[in-house]
Amino acid sequence: SQKIEQNSEALNIQEGKTATLTCNYTNYSPAYLQWYRQDPGRGPVFLLLIRENEKEKRKERLKVTFDTTLKQSLFHITASQPADSATYLCALAGGGNKLTFGTGTQLKVEL
Amino acid sequence: GAVVSQHPSRVICKSGTSVKIECRSLDFQATTMFWYRQFPKQSLMLMATSNEGSKATYEQGVEKDKFLINHASLTLSTLTVTSAHPEDSSFYICSARVPWGPGADTQYFGPGTRLTVL
Repeated sequence: SQKIEQNSEALNIQEGKTATLTCNYTNYSPAYLQWYRQDPGRGPVFLLLIRENEKEKRKERLKVTFDTTLKQSLFHITASQPADSATYLCALAGGGNKLTFGTGTQLKVEL
Repeated sequence: GAVVSQHPSRVICKSGTSVKIECRSLDFQATTMFWYRQFPKQSLMLMATSNEGSKATYEQGVEKDKFLINHASLTLSTLTVTSAHPEDSSFYICSARVPWGPGADTQYFGPGTRLTVL
């Protein structure tokens, strides 16, 4: 059956360090993958979209990689700040552009 | 990024009543919108795909007569929870997909609607 796993439920890092979040999937062949940020009680906020023929994408302090051989996407936040604390979700696109979401990783950036 | 609005943000209703939630894409036309439900400490679960001018397609296990979806224009989709019961209490979130251009396929989400059924 199809499965999406995000590395851990919670990740604590120090301010200024790079946070790396992992999204692994099985029994999927997504045409593209999206990363979102979600704060408590709010809808997800779009961060980055990466397609199957792209290896890497960047936006400001964010970087995402997509390895279709390993069936894995990595999401990096460099120079992390306390304001980056949130839950981060990866979502894989299937037929009909439907998104299936991972369980999320709760990131906490400490001073 | 593009903006998607939802209204109302919060609703409390009595068991047996119907509740309508609106989802609007404010700065782009969306031929496809999606409706999700999220329970506490869980991820988003897709309920249905809303296509402008045609019937919605529902995910397995979602009752189409209970969750009525209408996508009457390229910027508006509505979800009506009919005869709501306490087990329908949840956080409902819509998204709109950018159909073409540099941001094609991106789904932008609304802020969500918290439904509480007493």
